[in-house]
Amino acid sequence: KQEVTQIPAALSVPEGENLVLNCSFTDSAIYNLQWFRQDPGKGLTSLLLIQSSQREQTSGRLNASLDKSSGRSTLYIAASQPGDSATYLCAGATDSWGKLQFGAGTQVVVTP
Amino acid sequence: DGGITQSPKYLFRKEGQNVTLSCEQNLNHDAMYWYRQDPGQGLRLIYYSQIVNDFQKGDIAEGYSVSREKKESFPLTVTSAQKNPTAFYLCASRGRKDTQYFGPGTRLTVL
Repeated sequence: KQEVTQIPAALSVPEGENLVLNCSFTDSAIYNLQWFRQDPGKGLTSLLLIQSSQREQTSGRLNASLDKSSGRSTLYIAASQPGDSATYLCAGATDSWGKLQFGAGTQVVVTP
Repeated sequence: DGGITQSPKYLFRKEGQNVTLSCEQNLNHDAMYWYRQDPGQGLRLIYYSQIVNDFQKGDIAEGYSVSREKKESFPLTVTSAQKNPTAFYLCASRGRKDTQYFGPGTRLTVL
C-alpha cells in the first residue's frame, strides 16, 4: 500500500520568500501524484497533477517535480503571498482507478 | 457553473441513527469518490465508483454504505455500525486527465 508523508507539518515564511514543500511516497510504481490546496473548513482545490511519465509540471508561480526513484515530489511556490496561506496536501495514485493516498499536509502561513 | 455540491454543510447524528450525505456533480464525470478527513490527518478513501450501478470499498468502508443509481449522484450513508463517525466528509469526481475535483464537504458531529 502506498504511504505518503509530508514534512514539515507546518511552516511560516515572510512574504516574498519562495516556498518549498516536500512529499515522499513509498511505492515507486506511482501512477500519478497530485498537489492540492485546502483552506480552513473547505474542500480541496487541485493545483498540479504529475503523471508517472513526467518529471515536472508548472502553473504560474507553482512548479511541482516528481522523482520516482527517490520517492519524492516537491512543490515550489515562487514569491509567496499572504493569500498562499493554506494547507497543502499531496496524494499519490498507484493505478488508473484514481484511488488516492494522501499525506497529512503541510500548513503554510505567509506573514506580511 | 460546473462543479460538485454536497449537502448538508453541517450534520448532527444521535447515537444509533443512520444519516445520509448527499453528493451531486454536473461535470459529466464517470468516477466519484468519498473521503473522510480527521483533524490533522490526510484524507482516507471510504468508497469509490467508476460507473453507474458499480462501486468498490476503499480503505475504511466499515460502517458506511453507498449507492450509484445516477451518474450525477453518489450518496453516502453513515450507519450506526460506524463507531466514530465524527469527521469532515469530502466527495470528489475524476476528470479525463485524472484530476480530482472536490466538493465543499459535510461536517458530521455525533451528539
